[in-house]
Amino acid sequence: EPEVTQTPSHQVTQMGQEVILRCVPISNHLYFYWYRQILGQKVEFLVSFYNNEISEKSEIFDDQFSVERPDGSNFTLKIRSTKLEDSAMYFCASRGLVLIYEQYFGPGTRLTVT
Amino acid sequence: QQQVKQSPQSLIVQKGGISIINCAYENTAFDYFPWYQQFPGKGPALLIAIRPDVSEKKEGRFTISFNKSAKQFSLHIMDSQPGDSATYFCAARGGSNYKLTFGKGTLLTVNP
Repeated sequence: EPEVTQTPSHQVTQMGQEVILRCVPISNHLYFYWYRQILGQKVEFLVSFYNNEISEKSEIFDDQFSVERPDGSNFTLKIRSTKLEDSAMYFCASRGLVLIYEQYFGPGTRLTVT
Repeated sequence: QQQVKQSPQSLIVQKGGISIINCAYENTAFDYFPWYQQFPGKGPALLIAIRPDVSEKKEGRFTISFNKSAKQFSLHIMDSQPGDSATYFCAARGGSNYKLTFGKGTLLTVNP
């Protein structure tokens, strides 16, 4: 069964450093999302992406964040200058055109900022 | 108005019992209500979902009950099993970009 994959599974970085989180969505999906889950809290929407541009972003998604689809398979989230409060699980999700209501989540990347 | 409120925060059920998790929303523009199951270290996995034109949906041991007038929906897990032990999130979809707004989650423990 097709699935969303994410790398790395765990990233440790120092405050102020740039990180790139990578996702490979399900191959025929066209809509992509990033969500964040701070430890013990709910999953929060960050950004949606379609047709090579951001379609919606939350107030969390400030100028330090950017997303990109550099090729036909990868979808990346970049945090330019990480802060301690960026420590969280980051989930990528994708959805297709057929089952338009269903978003499929990847296993997540645990980001630890020290 | 974008919030989805979920209760209880945690739930302990004996094997074979019924687990019930409740959610409430305020935004009447929400038009799709999925439940996700999350095991430790994994991403949320879609469990079952309902649209507001239906009052109940059943898939195996999992049932969603939906009360549109009260703006509430709930997940019922019949014959709960230890393998059901996980965190359950209700969510609601709103807007043209289909973003999901999640509840805070319920940690379900099913004792053998």
